[in-house]
Amino acid sequence: DADVTQTPRNRITKTGKRIMLECSQTKGHDRMYWYRQDPGLGLRLIYYSFDVKDINKGEISDGYSVSRQAQAKFSLSLESAIPNQTALYFCATQRDDTQYFGPGTRLTVL
Amino acid sequence: AQSVTQPDIHITVSEGASLELRCNYSYGATPYLFWYVQSPGQGLQLLLKYFSGDTLVQGIKGFEAEFKRSQSSFNLRKPSVHWSDAAEYFCAVEGGSYIPTFGRGTSLIVHP
Repeated sequence: DADVTQTPRNRITKTGKRIMLECSQTKGHDRMYWYRQDPGLGLRLIYYSFDVKDINKGEISDGYSVSRQAQAKFSLSLESAIPNQTALYFCATQRDDTQYFGPGTRLTVL
Repeated sequence: AQSVTQPDIHITVSEGASLELRCNYSYGATPYLFWYVQSPGQGLQLLLKYFSGDTLVQGIKGFEAEFKRSQSSFNLRKPSVHWSDAAEYFCAVEGGSYIPTFGRGTSLIVHP
């Protein structure tokens, strides 16, 4: 079984809808991250959490929120989706400065 | 602030040829440096990392990278490329904050 899982893997939604992307990990790592990937822009950090009670904004947090429900679960929400949030979203954990990525969620906002 | 530049958006090589992917970083002290690979439809996987010590680092899948402080570079190399190496490659830098900065990626195309 994968150590870092993301659900859903693909999602198509409409402008204005609220959507949640979920991430679960079985690695036992405290640090978790959400990134978005856009062609030609690499990975950009949305939010990160160093433990259950620690949530921090990344470079592009506007329009997003997160919830760290447990050490193993870190969810990303788009309160009111807009088309320029169409992207590939990755969750990652970290230990010893190495990041471990989930398979990604491809989100399309129409 | 830390930053990473990957000058090449695409690199095309023939199978069996050697490969070098360029990475330049900006950071005020000795950085932690990483190369990750993203195969189509998958998340990123660590190839190798440099923290300190020997400036030539060996990684998985036959890759190596060399840290050159004078050139602020951490180029990735492989002596003989296989078709399965076709992927997107990301260089990343971190200064011990647990928050890496990724480059924009280099897409490797392998011709038979």
